[in-house]
Amino acid sequence: TQLLEQSPQFLSIQEGENLTVYCNSSSVFSSLQWYRQEPGEGPVLLVTVVTGGEVKKLKRLTFQFGDARKDSSLHITAAQPGDTGLYLCAGVANAGNMLTFGGGTRLMVKP
Amino acid sequence: DAGITQSPRHKVTETGTPVTLRCHQTENHRYMYWYRQDPGHGLRLIHYSYGVKDTDKGEVSDGYSVSRSKTEDFLLTLESATSSQTSVYFCATQEGSRGGLETQYFGPGTRLLVL
Repeated sequence: TQLLEQSPQFLSIQEGENLTVYCNSSSVFSSLQWYRQEPGEGPVLLVTVVTGGEVKKLKRLTFQFGDARKDSSLHITAAQPGDTGLYLCAGVANAGNMLTFGGGTRLMVKP
Repeated sequence: DAGITQSPRHKVTETGTPVTLRCHQTENHRYMYWYRQDPGHGLRLIHYSYGVKDTDKGEVSDGYSVSRSKTEDFLLTLESATSSQTSVYFCATQEGSRGGLETQYFGPGTRLLVL
């Protein structure tokens, strides 16, 4: 069982649609990060959220950290083919000091 | 972006042979990490280093060893490769010690197939 569970695992949508990806845990995290990984490359950091309830926006991407700091969501508005990739959440649990990754959500946006 | 290179990028080897993967960085970051990525498991930490000659085990360290003799190089060795070690291996670096508040910079990965 992974410390961070991501859902859905796979998502295939048409260009222009909206979507939300979830990252859930039973543990409290001091911070949570979202990375995006394109085929054949390493993950790249998109955002870090630290405060419970925090919302951050990055163009069409909206990231939210749950009030209890146990979960996070990523919402994409009007998805584009360039958003295609693997989205990974990662965090450091309150009791730990190492970054733990979720299993990832593989997104495909069709033109 | 941190300059991180990994070599080789692809490798096919046979069960029981030793394999060494290299990670090289040009950013003088203190922390370096080795992860493996398998479908549905995200990234799992194998070993990490917090300085020259300072290393520690991660979540899935059995069958792997590491060495860091210079700041810029972090080597991962599979002592006797097994088919369960077929995976994509990523190296990452981090400048400081603030855990999940800092950016980890990833290399392009090494795809390893153990037959």
